[in-house]
Amino acid sequence: QQKVQQSPESLIVPEGGMASLNCTSSDRNVDYFWWYRQHSGKSPKMLMSIFSNGEKEEGRFTVHLNKASLHTSLHIRDSQPSDSALYLCAARFTSNTNKVVFGTGTRLQVLP
Amino acid sequence: GGIITQTPKFLIGQEGQKLTLKCQQNFNHDTMYWYRQDSGKGLRLIYYSITENDLQKGDLSEGYDASREKKSSFSLTVTSAQKNEMAVFLCASSSRGGAYAEQFFGPGTRLTVL
Repeated sequence: QQKVQQSPESLIVPEGGMASLNCTSSDRNVDYFWWYRQHSGKSPKMLMSIFSNGEKEEGRFTVHLNKASLHTSLHIRDSQPSDSALYLCAARFTSNTNKVVFGTGTRLQVLP
Repeated sequence: GGIITQTPKFLIGQEGQKLTLKCQQNFNHDTMYWYRQDSGKGLRLIYYSITENDLQKGDLSEGYDASREKKSSFSLTVTSAQKNEMAVFLCASSSRGGAYAEQFFGPGTRLTVL
């Protein structure tokens, strides 16, 4: 079964701090990764996507991808209380067209 | 922009009952998905449909049926509701563009089984 593992399960950081979230695919046949953010009581919304090895930065958010280790990470610098949410990693598996699997999520809490 | 609507917003059923959830999108997206989210947890894929008349099972398809009646609509049926089952069912859609196939989500249907 194709799985996406996320760690840690939960994370508490002080306002202004750096939050680092991890995501790994169980299957080598993965080509695309996405990061979604879900605020409490709301639906998930895409935050960032990454398809090539390396790094991608958008404002306070940076995503890394290492395809060899099937690992992606999301880093949030200068964390704000409004960043408190459930962060979901999603991966698409090439062996099964358009099948997108989500991880179990990391719950981030940013304390003022 | 577009929108995804899900009906009903809240669904209360009895054990053993067959329950249907509906989803409509006006993005003109090819691919649609149904996910289940238990409280505070991640999303589990139930069914997805790459295009009209297509149906693919996800990892959680047992106990559910789905139907893609037309490009804009995708229904999910709980074939026999389980007592004490509580979850939010999320519908999503995306273009079939692979690399840029961001999923857009509806507001969800919250299911409670008595």
